[in-house]
Amino acid sequence: KNEVEQSPQNLTAQEGEFITINCSYSVGISALHWLQQHPGGGIVSLFMLSSGKKKHGRLIATINIQEKHSSLHITASHPRDSAVYICAVYNTDKLIFGTGTRLQVFP
Amino acid sequence: EPEVTQTPSHQVTQMGQEVILRCVPISNHLYFYWYRQILGQKVEFLVSFYNNEISEKSEIFDDQFSVERPDGSNFTLKIRSTKLEDSAMYFCASSEVAEGNTIYFGEGSWLTVV
Repeated sequence: KNEVEQSPQNLTAQEGEFITINCSYSVGISALHWLQQHPGGGIVSLFMLSSGKKKHGRLIATINIQEKHSSLHITASHPRDSAVYICAVYNTDKLIFGTGTRLQVFP
Repeated sequence: EPEVTQTPSHQVTQMGQEVILRCVPISNHLYFYWYRQILGQKVEFLVSFYNNEISEKSEIFDDQFSVERPDGSNFTLKIRSTKLEDSAMYFCASSEVAEGNTIYFGEGSWLTVV
């Protein structure tokens, strides 16, 4: 069983739609990261959360420590949001990665 | 914005050859990492490095792998005798502190072992 599970694996949306990606984890963590990976392969950090909620532009990330669950929301999605979104948890000096959610937003 | 730089961006090597992947972490960062991603799979942890020594390593990081910080800026990953299954994208990352801090990733080094 994966220590970090994401859903859905693939997501298709029309431009303007509200998107939610979910992440559940089974290990103890000190922080949870949401990352974005573009087709070229580079990984960019979007958020680092240890509690509550963070917002950056159209992106919102929440975490519930008791339920070991986090969500990433994208409001008013745009084709340039198309990428793989990865949840990763920080556990004893390393990140443990989820398998990622491939998002495609069509105009 | 500060960035982690990696070289080479792509390397093709013969099975059994030694490979060195290089990384320049962000200058005031103290924690350094190597991760890898086999094509179509999730990113996997290899090793973390702090205070000039390995702080944690995964089962993947066997005797064929080593890391070094030969000077104040470079952080290298060496694979002594490459195997076909070492073909992957290798990411270097760094952070200012271990926990509760943004981790910055390099663009990755594609290694193809033939």
